[in-house]
Amino acid sequence: DAKTTQPPSMDCAEGRAANLPCNHSTISGNEYVYWYRQIHSQGPQYIIHGLKNNETNEMASLIITEDRKSSTLILPHATLRDTAVYYCIVRVGNSGTYKYIFGTGTRLKVLA
Amino acid sequence: DAGVIQSPRHEVTEMGQEVTLRCKPISGHNSLFWYRQTMMRGLELLIYFNNNVPIDDSGMPEDRFSAKMPNASFSTLKIQPSEPRDSAVYFCASSFMGQPNSPLHFGNGTRLTVT
Repeated sequence: DAKTTQPPSMDCAEGRAANLPCNHSTISGNEYVYWYRQIHSQGPQYIIHGLKNNETNEMASLIITEDRKSSTLILPHATLRDTAVYYCIVRVGNSGTYKYIFGTGTRLKVLA
Repeated sequence: DAGVIQSPRHEVTEMGQEVTLRCKPISGHNSLFWYRQTMMRGLELLIYFNNNVPIDDSGMPEDRFSAKMPNASFSTLKIQPSEPRDSAVYFCASSFMGQPNSPLHFGNGTRLTVT
């Protein structure tokens, strides 16, 4: 019951911005969008999250559309180490009990 | 902050044997999640706890799987008896439910191989 859809794979040239889209058209008003990435078989690593406003941290930027039905994760200057599977998820639940359902993610390959 | 700690990192066992996976969540976190990852099915949520109480175990595949959280700093996932199709990487993750936007933090997983 993942609530997000992502392209299965993308390529990006090293040093260029990587823009990873995500569709979450059924998102509810108080549900946050989270982004994680997984390198090889390591545990997924938290990147960034947002509700309505665009967000930026040391790893990435998150752009959320005004209707909140989609978002884009931006890696401003992709490096080879950014090659990973990127997951966009919406946390579901209420009253303090939430769960995180992962979809199939986008496999990003950064090319030298 | 030591992060979420899982043990063992690798487990190889024979079909029919009991397997116990262990997890220590981040101190102060009050929610704990068990996931399983395979090539075919991706990351599946098996069960999660809030304040040591199981909230949703609908992802547990069958009665051979059980999970406990006896206290805030320890959880186990047990498979008895194990089968080859249980081979996967099992992840534990924790978060703090007191904050509406608290992210999930994952351990490095246990790679289980059942022969």
